[in-house]
Amino acid sequence: GIQVEQSPPDLILQEGANSTLRCNFSDSVNNLQWFHQNPWGQLINLFYIPSGTKQNGRLSATTVATERYSLLYISSSQTTDSGVYFCAVVIIPDSWGKLQFGAGTQVVVTP
Amino acid sequence: ETGVTQSPTHLIKTRGQQVTLRCSSQSGHNTVSWYQQALGQGPQFIFQYYREEENGRGNFPPRFSGLQFPNYSSELNVNALELDDSALYLCASSLTRGQTDEQYFGPGTRLTVT
Repeated sequence: GIQVEQSPPDLILQEGANSTLRCNFSDSVNNLQWFHQNPWGQLINLFYIPSGTKQNGRLSATTVATERYSLLYISSSQTTDSGVYFCAVVIIPDSWGKLQFGAGTQVVVTP
Repeated sequence: ETGVTQSPTHLIKTRGQQVTLRCSSQSGHNTVSWYQQALGQGPQFIFQYYREEENGRGNFPPRFSGLQFPNYSSELNVNALELDDSALYLCASSLTRGQTDEQYFGPGTRLTVT
């Protein structure tokens, strides 16, 4: 089956720092979403980005579908950015919207 | 706020019991998907319901079953609970069942099986 690999597994940042999270996937996809899971378990939609580049405030994302990876950029990090970041994909052969998640990147932003 | 709600928030059950979890989809969405998230892992797809019918299923045994109602809300039922069923259960709603539809998640139900 498809492999969705996220790196790094853990990231500790000082407030104000920038960072890049990576998501590699082993099959062609037509849906890729980035989520932030807060300490209470809520998955918050960050980006729907099967290809191209998007920006939302201090966050931006780029997906290069032909090379099978996506990047999430966090700039000027804040303590509220702490949590787990997940990448999830739907592979083209699937006949329904089954999101397959990576293992996540645990981000801790210190004051 | 995604507009997707789940109940209850927390639940404690004993091994062998049965449990029902509930999900209300976002207004205008006709598809609900259920996911199980064990501690320290990414969510795993259980099944998807589209217009009251099961549309696809992940690698979960038949004791995991579901329903979708005419208003597109959904239930997840788990029979003969096992200790390994302890997890966060998430539902997601989407506009339709398509592969390219963005999914929006509810706050989850945390199930503990003792």
